[in-house]
This record gives sequence, C-alpha cells and structure tokens, in this order.
Amino acid sequence: DSGVTQTPKHLITATGQRVTLRCSPRSGDLSVYWYQQSLDQGLQFLIQYYNGEERAKGNILERFSAQQFPDLHSELNLSSLELGDSALYFCASSVQRTDEQYFGPGTRLTVT
Amino acid sequence: DQQVKQNSPSLSVQEGRISILNCDYTNSMFDYFLWYKKYPAEGPTFLISISSIKDKNEDGRFTVFLNKSAKHLSLHIVPSQPGDSAVYFCAALRNSGNTPLVFGKGTRLSVIA
Repeated sequence: DSGVTQTPKHLITATGQRVTLRCSPRSGDLSVYWYQQSLDQGLQFLIQYYNGEERAKGNILERFSAQQFPDLHSELNLSSLELGDSALYFCASSVQRTDEQYFGPGTRLTVT
Repeated sequence: DQQVKQNSPSLSVQEGRISILNCDYTNSMFDYFLWYKKYPAEGPTFLISISSIKDKNEDGRFTVFLNKSAKHLSLHIVPSQPGDSAVYFCAALRNSGNTPLVFGKGTRLSVIA
C-alpha cells in the first residue's frame, strides 16, 4: 500500500459527460501528479500541483482540468468526454522531488 | 515523439534465469533514470534508479546498467522468480528531481516456473 488513495476505482460514463476523479496523497506529501495510461501506452504525464499551485503541465487536453485543495487532496475533472478518453488515470504524490513518486491504484474510466 | 522507448512489449523467461529489460532514450538532457514495476490493478511501484554519473546500480537481485554514449539502459533480474511477472516501466527525468518523469510504454515480463 503506497498510502495514496484514489476514488472511484472504476467509472463508466457516456460520451459528452463530465467526471471528477479524486486523489488523496500520502500524509506529508505536498506534490500531486496525474497520469493517463491508455491501451498500449506508457504513463503520460498530465499535470503536477505543489502545495496548491500548478507546478508543471504535460499533455493535458483543454477539456481536462485539475486542482489541489488546501488539505492537499486533488481532483482531476474531465469534461466533454470522448471514447478516446477511456484509460487508467493514476495519481502519484511526493514530498517535493519528482523522482520519489508514490502511485495510487488508479481509476479506470470507460467512456461508452 | 517518444523520448523514452521500450521496444520489447513483452518478454518470457524461465524461473531461475536472467531477465534483461531494455530501454532507450533520445533526450541527452536526461540525468536520472528509474524503473517501476506494475502488477495488475495496482499503481506502479519504484524498483531501482540510477544517476547519470554512474554506470551501474545494484539492489539485491536487480541491477540497472546505464550506457550514456548509447543512450541505453537495461534492468537485469537474477535469478528471475514467478513473482517478478509484471509490467516494467522505464522512466527518465532532467535536473534530478525538478522536472516531470517521462515514461516508456512498458515491457510485460512473464517468468515461467
């Protein structure tokens, strides 16, 4: 158990809908990272927050947004969902350095 | 443009033999490399890492080799055990801790008893 929790574990929704994925980092970790893993793809970095502020941005679509709250949990919002958004979404956390990330179990999103 | 490439999607090895997983990178600015292991229905877990100032790092059955001139690293598992069956991801970053991790697509290792 990495100490990072993600909810929900599975999510099935229709195209055009909006969903919110939630992540609670390990106790004491200030950084939260979001990744997308599509079929046969590696983990694609989406976005990083550090202590409530956006720190780095990767291949995140404009339809996607994220935030980190004062209690350090984070939410990833996915809107106007398309079939291609079906993927595993992982959250990771670290104290500060990006080379010491601990991953949650992921949320599997299926868009039908 | 894939900056970190794992060209073998899968690998099968007999129990007790050596497993060698390979990874190539294109960005010469990468200075820190990591291997993560992932079991089904779990998130990736850190396995072993190596800084660009070294060419080898060993931790028990796991050894990572780095060849900077070839922009190539490999993970050796000796001896391989059935519990090693998982997907292995290679990752790299610049500035040793201040930039996002860049992952490869992973190699699925199957260790056959």
